[in-house]
Amino acid sequence: EAGVTQFPSHSVIEKGQTVTLRCDPISGHDNLYWYRRVMGKEIKFLLHFVKESKQDESGMPNNRFLAERTGGTYSTLKVQPAELEDSGVYFCASSPLRVGGLQQFGPGTRLTVL
Amino acid sequence: AQSVTQLDSQVPVFEEAPVELRCNYSSSVSVYLFWYVQYPNQGLQLLLKYLSGSTLVESINGFEAEFNKSQTSFHLRKPSVHISDTAEYFCAVSVYNNNDMRFGAGTRLTVKP
Repeated sequence: EAGVTQFPSHSVIEKGQTVTLRCDPISGHDNLYWYRRVMGKEIKFLLHFVKESKQDESGMPNNRFLAERTGGTYSTLKVQPAELEDSGVYFCASSPLRVGGLQQFGPGTRLTVL
Repeated sequence: AQSVTQLDSQVPVFEEAPVELRCNYSSSVSVYLFWYVQYPNQGLQLLLKYLSGSTLVESINGFEAEFNKSQTSFHLRKPSVHISDTAEYFCAVSVYNNNDMRFGAGTRLTVKP
């Protein structure tokens, strides 16, 4: 089966611009997660979708970040306007709904804000 | 909430030497434990996991980790490393149904010839 895919792999934007990251989970995985790693620090949880609903968005840093998962398939994470501290690697993961279903990660999107 | 501490940010070793990457966690409930690896220019890959049962878990490429509940540790070991093991390794913990995963800051393993 195809794994979790993320687009783009790299994005370089200027402060104040808008960027949209996309994640395509494994087919049939109802759970979808976004994580972020800023330089040299731990990978931090951002939010969790179950199908199209936000189950937990406690990790979203501020209201410049907007995540959507219309139709319960792919998800987008928009940063508007981007700030320098938003630079990092954004990972997406998905897992099946059953208890003990393991999260599988995508390759990540490296975002650089200049 | 659970948390993870990886005590070493960087571990340089020579090829064929043994290595241990340390991981300690804190949680008030039972946990699942994971090690993920990120090779240069690649995504996160699951290396091994502890869900239940035997406290010693192994990966296909010679790594092993032992769940020690009394010491709240899940250290990763390999008796003889290869150049190809050079990567960043992340310890992670989650509870019950594998949601709300928490990661450590990562340990960069560099294997030198």
